[in-house]
Amino acid sequence: DTEVTQTPKHLVMGMTNKKSLKCEQHMGHRAMYWYKQKAKKPPELMFVYSYEKLSINESVPSRFSPECPNSSLLNLHLHALQPEDSALYLCASSQDERGGETQYFGPGTRLLVL
Amino acid sequence: SQQGEEDPQALSIQEGENATMNCSYKTSINNLQWYRQNSGRGLVHLILIRSNEREKHSGRLRVTLDTSKKSSSLLITASRAADTASYFCATGNTGGFKTIFGAGTRLFVKA
Repeated sequence: DTEVTQTPKHLVMGMTNKKSLKCEQHMGHRAMYWYKQKAKKPPELMFVYSYEKLSINESVPSRFSPECPNSSLLNLHLHALQPEDSALYLCASSQDERGGETQYFGPGTRLLVL
Repeated sequence: SQQGEEDPQALSIQEGENATMNCSYKTSINNLQWYRQNSGRGLVHLILIRSNEREKHSGRLRVTLDTSKKSSSLLITASRAADTASYFCATGNTGGFKTIFGAGTRLFVKA
């Protein structure tokens, strides 16, 4: 199974809402990633988890809160977002977190903040 | 900041033609990868070339790497309408723990 799944596919939320994005992989990968991607731009790294521990936080605002409950699951909790946070949120996994490891991406969650 | 710079930013060709995309980077790398992204979807890994390799093939894809010029190119031969997508190069830096994505080339193949 070389698939990374993400739910939901689409999400519309108000600025006062709390929601969560979910990501799952069953490839035995030890590194998992959250990226944010705006239209016509490359993915921007947000967080990296390695062996279920937060390894990299790219100075992401605290209204985004990642969680790694186990080696297969990665969540991104959203609270008090701003309209400029509207984007495609991509989850990825790789064998480990060394730079340049092949990453397997999920289909993304398209988020709209009103 | 994104390390890889790609050109062209956008490319429009006819089906059957070849498409060439270029990527330049700034620091020493362990490897360079190319990914494809169909509109609004996740990225799909296409090919990885290591820093000690100069050329690699996979089906209709040919990747070259010139570490002296810090550049790579992706050639798609006999393009198809289904190749319409954005293509990103991504580098793994020596001693680094992040994969850095380039700005991407948007390829449009007309049937």
